[in-house]
Amino acid sequence: KAGVTQTPRYLIKTRGQQVTLSCSPISGHRSVSWYQQTPGQGLQFLFEYFSETQRNKGNFPGRFSGRQFSNSRSEMNVSTLELGDSALYLCASSPRTTSGRDEQYFGPGTRLTVT
Amino acid sequence: KQEVTQIPAALSVPEGENLVLNCSFTDSAIYNLQWFRQDPGKGLTSLLLIQSSQREQTSGRLNASLDKSSGRSTLYIAASQPGDSATYLCAVRVMNSNSGYALNFGKGTSLLVTP
Repeated sequence: KAGVTQTPRYLIKTRGQQVTLSCSPISGHRSVSWYQQTPGQGLQFLFEYFSETQRNKGNFPGRFSGRQFSNSRSEMNVSTLELGDSALYLCASSPRTTSGRDEQYFGPGTRLTVT
Repeated sequence: KQEVTQIPAALSVPEGENLVLNCSFTDSAIYNLQWFRQDPGKGLTSLLLIQSSQREQTSGRLNASLDKSSGRSTLYIAASQPGDSATYLCAVRVMNSNSGYALNFGKGTSLLVTP
């Protein structure tokens, strides 16, 4: 079974631009979560999507948004990029069983550099 | 707010040593705890998943324990090898009031195993 895939793997953008990152979960997984990793703050939760609905959101400004499609693929968008948005963006998928005890599987990440 | 702490932040050991990595969390209302490994610039590889009702899990040379009541987990690595050099992250899965999930991560322990 193929793992979580993220595209693109690397991205360089200019301050003020916007960017869209994509995540394809493991086949059969219905939940997709996004995380931002920076050297200073570590790994921080952005949001979780399940059944095309945002179920949880971390403490990030409204410039960070996302969506999920009917095939469970997800995109996240960052508008008006700032230098501080430079980070590794990681996507995780899980089956989203009713027990809540799912293991999370992470993709390789998208490295975003804002200049 | 759930806080996850990992001690030590960095560790250097000679090959062959057994070692213990520590993780503590402030709120015992967790669904599970996962240990991950991250190589530089890469995504996260899941090592062990411990459900909230379990006390420990083992995989090869790795053993993870969980004491939910005291908010502690340990990752034991036996007979360390240079290939074990990486950053080890622990994360607890929590749920918000809207039945949305998130992983709260520690800052990680950077492990270096020297030949």
